[in-house]
Amino acid sequence: DAGVIQSPRHEVTEMGQEVTLRCKPISGHNSLFWYRQTMMRGLELLIYFNNNVPIDDSGMPEDRFSAKMPNASFSTLKIQPSEPRDSAVYFCASKRTSTDTQYFGPGTRLTVL
Amino acid sequence: SQQGEEDPQALSIQEGENATMNCSYKTSINNLQWYRQNSGRGLVHLILIRSNEREKHSGRLRVTLDTSKKSSSLLITASRAADTASYFCATNINTGTASKLTFGTGTRLQVTL
Repeated sequence: DAGVIQSPRHEVTEMGQEVTLRCKPISGHNSLFWYRQTMMRGLELLIYFNNNVPIDDSGMPEDRFSAKMPNASFSTLKIQPSEPRDSAVYFCASKRTSTDTQYFGPGTRLTVL
Repeated sequence: SQQGEEDPQALSIQEGENATMNCSYKTSINNLQWYRQNSGRGLVHLILIRSNEREKHSGRLRVTLDTSKKSSSLLITASRAADTASYFCATNINTGTASKLTFGTGTRLQVTL
């Protein structure tokens, strides 16, 4: 059974460019989470969805960040325009609504020059 | 802000020794979970302990929870080199429509031969 799939695994871009990160949750999981991990701030929850609906986006740092979940098997996190301080590892995680255990993807390492 | 603070930040032990990591948190919780992160990888769920439980075991792992002190500990017995990783506690707060995790700062464990 495939786990959470994220793409790309690595992204290097220049300041001002648009960045789109992608996530495919585990089939049957109806909650999806986007996290950001940095040395300074640790692991932060950015936004999460239940049944494709955003429930809490209070962790989204600013308007440059947006997330969508058009269907149960796909989500995107977009940064436009990107800045060097956005450099981090971005994780997607999913779970079933009936449980509390989250399953993490391998992450996307983003470097903004 | 971080819900959980972990102690120590880093721990170095020899193979065969036991490793103990502690986690403190601030608010009432539904459950507390421990995750492991190998370098460059996503987080992997290890064990979940509910707020009405005091101790739980899983293989070489033993978790305790003291809700009166708002603290938890993770004990890894007979450690192995493969246990080298970062370990995070995560508190779950269920608000009815939402169930999300807040992660601690992590303990970096190094197990040497």
